[in-house]
Amino acid sequence: NAGVTQTPKFRILKIGQSMTLQCAQDMNHNYMYWYRQDPGMGLKLIYYSVGAGITDKGEVPNGYNVSRSTTEDFPLRLELAAPSQTSVYFCASSPQGVSNQPQHFGDGTRLSIL
Amino acid sequence: QKEVEQNSGPLSVPEGAIASLNCTYSDRGSQSFFWYRQYSGKSPELIMFIYSNGDKEDGRFTAQLNKASQYVSLLIRDSQPSDSATYLCAPYTGNQFYFGTGTSLTVIP
Repeated sequence: NAGVTQTPKFRILKIGQSMTLQCAQDMNHNYMYWYRQDPGMGLKLIYYSVGAGITDKGEVPNGYNVSRSTTEDFPLRLELAAPSQTSVYFCASSPQGVSNQPQHFGDGTRLSIL
Repeated sequence: QKEVEQNSGPLSVPEGAIASLNCTYSDRGSQSFFWYRQYSGKSPELIMFIYSNGDKEDGRFTAQLNKASQYVSLLIRDSQPSDSATYLCAPYTGNQFYFGTGTSLTVIP
């Protein structure tokens, strides 16, 4: 089972560049999440989706955009990269948003913006 | 703003001892509470979750929840060097998980 797959694993961007972080899951999960984790910190929710065509903001959405055209894919878009967006980005999924369903995480994308 | 507080540590315990990890949360509407373990450079992995007041045991791990005090803890019995990691507390509220900054645990052989 592939689970949650994130690409790329590493990326260096220049200030002002744009890129898309890819996330795909093969578990037919309805809920998907994007987090960022800064060094020594916990995870902060950027965006989440409860199903295809439905997305909502988390705690730190500024500077990011998402779309959810299929159940499997949930890409995260950075339009104008800034040094403050240097972080590790994790994508996660869960079957549905009920209180006893844990999240399954991808391996993360390590992004540096210089 | 939903706050999740954890002692950042580092917490050091000798091998075979009990490690106690604590977490307080601000949102009384939190429905359940997840504990994740994160090794350096890796993604979080689920240890266990709890949603009723009291204790829940799973192998060497015991989660304790006190909703009145807005407090949740994780006990690790017979700690092993492989338990050395950062432990993240994550209350679940309204389709979202709110993560604490984590407690770094080191088990000394």
